[in-house]
Amino acid sequence: DIQMTQSPSSLSASVGDRVSITCRASQSISSYLNWYQQKPGTAPRLLIFAASSLQSGVPSRFSGSGSGTDFTLTISSLQPEDFATYYCQQSYTTPRTFGQGTKVEIK
Amino acid sequence: QVQLQESGPGLVKPSGTLSLTCAVSGGSISNTNWWSWVRQPPGKGLEWIGEIFHTGSTNDNPSLKSRVTISVDKSKNQFSLRLTSVTAADTAVYYCATLVRDTFGVIISYYFKYWGQGSLVTVSS
Repeated sequence: DIQMTQSPSSLSASVGDRVSITCRASQSISSYLNWYQQKPGTAPRLLIFAASSLQSGVPSRFSGSGSGTDFTLTISSLQPEDFATYYCQQSYTTPRTFGQGTKVEIK
Repeated sequence: QVQLQESGPGLVKPSGTLSLTCAVSGGSISNTNWWSWVRQPPGKGLEWIGEIFHTGSTNDNPSLKSRVTISVDKSKNQFSLRLTSVTAADTAVYYCATLVRDTFGVIISYYFKYWGQGSLVTVSS
């Protein structure tokens, strides 16, 4: 199985901050990497697919980069509605695996 | 816009079988998508369970040790999950999701685009 490791596991930030979350795959997955946002009590929401493609309707302050084994999700200016948990997920092969999540909290 | 809705018992006894169904609306189950199950134990992360194509072809997570059966009913536009020999470790919110197949030049990407609201299943006597 391909292991996905996110860092940090949690972070505290203020509205307006630039925030970056990294995701590392245990082997190369090319650009087969997706990012999701999840708020308490709700299903995950797709933000970024194919490492850097922004899903329709997602604000442009979200961006993704990387290829191979190292990937980054960046929020350019954190908004109140962005406080949530973020997951990366590889779609290179089955079993499809997720990172353990990064919780973004209010500072 | 595809919509998904899970249904099934919220309580299952240990050693019993968990059964859930996902009704698909707003699109045909017989398209290029795969139809998936993902679960999330309370307070924990996401775990992929498995997926099915409308032809009946399936993939599932080896970590579940062959306890999983996923099936599709094209006449009802729905798909189902059966998980046998459940224990307390199987207590989770179970989501059904659409795994969309998308093409970017030579790259074929898959991502979970649509999700159901989730169904909490508790394993307890």
